[in-house]
Amino acid sequence: GAVVSQHPSWVICKSGTSVKIECRSLDFQATTMFWYRQFPKQSLMLMATSNEGSKATYEQGVEKDKFLINHASLTLSTLTVTSAHPEDSSFYICSARGPSTEAFFGQGTRLTVV
Amino acid sequence: AQTVTQSQPEMSVQEAETVTLSCTYDTSESDYYLFWYKQPPSRQMILVIRQEAYKQQNATENRFSVNFQKAAKSFSLKISDSQLGDAAMYFCAYRSTGNTPLVFGKGTRLSVIA
Repeated sequence: GAVVSQHPSWVICKSGTSVKIECRSLDFQATTMFWYRQFPKQSLMLMATSNEGSKATYEQGVEKDKFLINHASLTLSTLTVTSAHPEDSSFYICSARGPSTEAFFGQGTRLTVV
Repeated sequence: AQTVTQSQPEMSVQEAETVTLSCTYDTSESDYYLFWYKQPPSRQMILVIRQEAYKQQNATENRFSVNFQKAAKSFSLKISDSQLGDAAMYFCAYRSTGNTPLVFGKGTRLSVIA
C-alpha cells in the first residue's frame, strides 16, 4: 500500500509557541489531504480538507487562524498550531488520497502543550 | 449529513473464535463507500476492508468479511479465527463519491482473550 509519513510522532511545546506537523506522501501524489484530531478514547474528528494549491476548507468550529494548513505540493501538507494552549493537546492524524479511493493515514502526532 | 453509528463500545472474543462488530449508517445517497479501519495501540490507522455500495457481493479479506445490507444501511464486520493481534479499536467509516472525507463512527474496542 501507499505510504504516508507524518512528522514528528510526538512533540512537547510551551504554551504560546507554534508547532508545525508535516504530512508527506512518499510514493504517490496526494491531490487531497485531510487533517483529523483524536481525543483519548474517541473517534477521529475532521478538522480540514486541503487540495494541492488551494486554500484549506475547515470544518465548522475549527479556527482557521489557529490551525494553519498549507498544501503547497502534491506530496506535502503541513498543519501549524499557532499560539498553542494546553487545550490544543491532542493526537493529530493526516490522511492523503491520490488516484485510488482509499485514504492512507500518517502515523499521527501526539501534541502536548505545557 | 451522513452519520455512522457503532453501538458496541467494547467487545471481547476468545482466541480462534468469531466475532461480529456492528455498524449502521444514515445517508440519502445511492452510491458511496464503506470501510472498516483498525487502530492498534500504536494509533496507526490500518484499512481492514472496503465495500463499494454498488456491489452486492460482500467484501472479504482473508479472515475479515462484511455483511453489507444496503436497504437496512448496515455494514457489520466479521472476524474469523480471532488472533491476539486483532485486539484494537475498530472504526466503521463512510465516504461519499467524489473527493470527500471519511466520516467515522465512534469505534468499538475489541479485546481478544487467550
